[in-house]
Amino acid sequence: AQKITQTQPGMFVQEKEAVTLDCTYDTSDPSYGLFWYKQPSSGEMIFLIYQGSYDQQNATEGRYSLNFQKARKSANLVISASQLGDSAMYFCAMRAFNTGANSKLTFGKGITLSVRP
Amino acid sequence: DGGITQSPKYLFRKEGQNVTLSCEQNLNHDAMYWYRQDPGQGLRLIYYSQIVNDFQKGDIAEGYSVSREKKESFPLTVTSAQKNPTAFYLCASSHTSGRSYNEQFFGPGTRLTVL
Repeated sequence: AQKITQTQPGMFVQEKEAVTLDCTYDTSDPSYGLFWYKQPSSGEMIFLIYQGSYDQQNATEGRYSLNFQKARKSANLVISASQLGDSAMYFCAMRAFNTGANSKLTFGKGITLSVRP
Repeated sequence: DGGITQSPKYLFRKEGQNVTLSCEQNLNHDAMYWYRQDPGQGLRLIYYSQIVNDFQKGDIAEGYSVSREKKESFPLTVTSAQKNPTAFYLCASSHTSGRSYNEQFFGPGTRLTVL
């Protein structure tokens, strides 16, 4: 079974500064993928970034980057140059590719980020 | 524009009644999913379907039923057997081949309240 842990309380960041959102995971599967989603107050989930367990480099997508430390089983999201529109709930999720239900995502409980002007 | 639609956005139901939540996608995705989200919690998988006329139970399927008669549609019925149905329900879809990660695309959600 897969498990995602997000334990940070609500996070605050000043506009234009960088912020790191923590995520640790647990799986016995050697082949897996890690995802980050953003959920604004409107409720829909927005895909941000993906990291594969065998990817050699950390993933980046615009202002989002993933600090992937495989040995520590952590996949922290870094948001650079925070904007007011980044205020939302952020979820870390993973998928193990060698299980029967290889499309199933396991989500963490999320972290609330508030950007201050 | 391609996307996922869910209706209605807000739904109120009396105890003991079944209710069906709609989910439609025009992204030509093979797989579709239903999740439940409770306040301050992550998403929990209710049911998923990787192909038409086939679906599998997720982690919390009790009290729910689904059908997948068309590729574009994956309705979820919340039955009276569901003990605590008040929640936010999200539908998602994805490819099942091609890129290995096949990110899931989500609809806007339906907020169900049992009165």
